[in-house]
Amino acid sequence: DIQMTQSPSSLSASVGGRVTLTCRASQTISTYLNWYQQKPGKAPKLLIYGASTLQSGVPSRFSGSGSGTDFTLTISSLQPEDFAIYYCQQTYSIPWTFGQGTKVEIK
Amino acid sequence: QLQLQESGPGLVRPSETLSLTCSVSGGSISSSSYYWGWIRQPPGEGLEWIGSVYYTGRTSDNPSLKSRVTMSVDTSKNQFSLRLSSVTAADAAVYYCARLQWLLSPVYFDYWGQGTLVTVSS
Repeated sequence: DIQMTQSPSSLSASVGGRVTLTCRASQTISTYLNWYQQKPGKAPKLLIYGASTLQSGVPSRFSGSGSGTDFTLTISSLQPEDFAIYYCQQTYSIPWTFGQGTKVEIK
Repeated sequence: QLQLQESGPGLVRPSETLSLTCSVSGGSISSSSYYWGWIRQPPGEGLEWIGSVYYTGRTSDNPSLKSRVTMSVDTSKNQFSLRLSSVTAADAAVYYCARLQWLLSPVYFDYWGQGTLVTVSS
C-alpha cells in the first residue's frame, strides 16, 4: 500500500495568514493526489484533485502543487471558515489511501 | 444537486454483519461516469477507503478488510449497499458513502453523504 504522510500534524495560524501543508507519498504517484477539507461533525469536502485542479466552487485562495512524491496545499489568505482538518489522498493505486490529516487551528 | 444519505443500524454486535445503504437523489446511480464508494472514519482518526461499486455491480475493495466486504447496487431504488461481516470493535466508525468520479483521470470523491456512526458492542 502507498503510505501518505502529512506534515505538520497541526498548525496554528492567523486569519489572513498564508499556510502551506505538505503531503508525501511513499512512492511516486504522478499527480494522482486529492485534497479534502473536513470540519467537525461533517463529511470531507473535495478541494483539489489531480494535485492542482481546483474543484468547482472552491475559493481561489486554495491552491495545490506537486508531482511524484511531494505535494503541497496552500491557503493564501486564511479565512475563519478555513479552520479544519485537511487530508490528502492518493488514487494512483488501490487501495486508495489517505494521509493522517493536518489540523489548522486559529492562532 | 446530488445528495447521498446513509442509513442502517447504529449498533452492531461483535461477529455480526454491518449493513448500510446509501440513497442517491438528484442524479442517477446508473451513470457510466461514476462509481459509488464507501469510506469510514473511526472516532478521532483518519479516513479509510473501504471499497467502490459500479452500477453494473462491478466492485473494488480494500484488501485490508480481508474479503469481509460485500457491495451491491439497486438501480431501481437508486441505492447502493455495504455489508461488512464479522465485525469487531475495530470496525466502529462513521461510515460515509460518496460518489467517485472515475471517467477522467484522476479519480476522486466529489460528493459525500453526511455519514452514519456505527458502534460495535454486545
